[in-house]
Amino acid sequence: DAGVIQSPRHEVTEMGQEVTLRCKPISGHNSLFWYRQTMMRGLELLIYFNNNVPIDDSGMPEDRFSAKMPNASFSTLKIQPSEPRDSAVYFCASSSLAGTYEQYFGPGTRLTVT
Amino acid sequence: AQSVTQLDSQVPVFEEAPVELRCNYSSSVSVYLFWYVQYPNQGLQLLLKYLSGSTLVKGINGFEAEFNKSQTSFHLRKPSVHISDTAEYFCAVSRMNRDDKIIFGKGTRLHILP
Repeated sequence: DAGVIQSPRHEVTEMGQEVTLRCKPISGHNSLFWYRQTMMRGLELLIYFNNNVPIDDSGMPEDRFSAKMPNASFSTLKIQPSEPRDSAVYFCASSSLAGTYEQYFGPGTRLTVT
Repeated sequence: AQSVTQLDSQVPVFEEAPVELRCNYSSSVSVYLFWYVQYPNQGLQLLLKYLSGSTLVKGINGFEAEFNKSQTSFHLRKPSVHISDTAEYFCAVSRMNRDDKIIFGKGTRLHILP
């Protein structure tokens, strides 16, 4: 299995630009999670989906952030407009609702907003 | 609601010495417990998990953890660490039998001294 795939691995953008992060979960998994990790705040859950439906988006920092899961094999996290404080590593993880609930993490996208 | 407390943000230990990373959780319902490891510049990966049964759980890379319900703890141990164990370790909890999110602790950084 290829594992969770995230793209791009690194993104450098200027303040005010739109940023789109992409995630392909493990085939057969039906839960998908977006996290953000910074030195100051640690690992934060932003949003998660079960069967492509957003279940809890209480961790999304503000309206500039949005996430979609149009099908079982693809999700996006969009930041528009981006700000320097959005600089972080963004992780996507997936799990199976029929399994034992452990999450499998992707390698992350390191976002730098200048 | 569930919560996880990792009592040490950093733990230095000499190579080949034993180590214990402490984790306490709070929950009003039965839970599943996890330890994840994050090596530098990588995503998180599962070390071990407690779902039910034996309270002593063995994981990868020689790690083990013991579930103690009365003390609401799930401490991680290894009898002899190696330089390759340098990483950040996260304790996590989720509600049993629920398609729910996992709550992560703030992490413990393990420094292996030569």
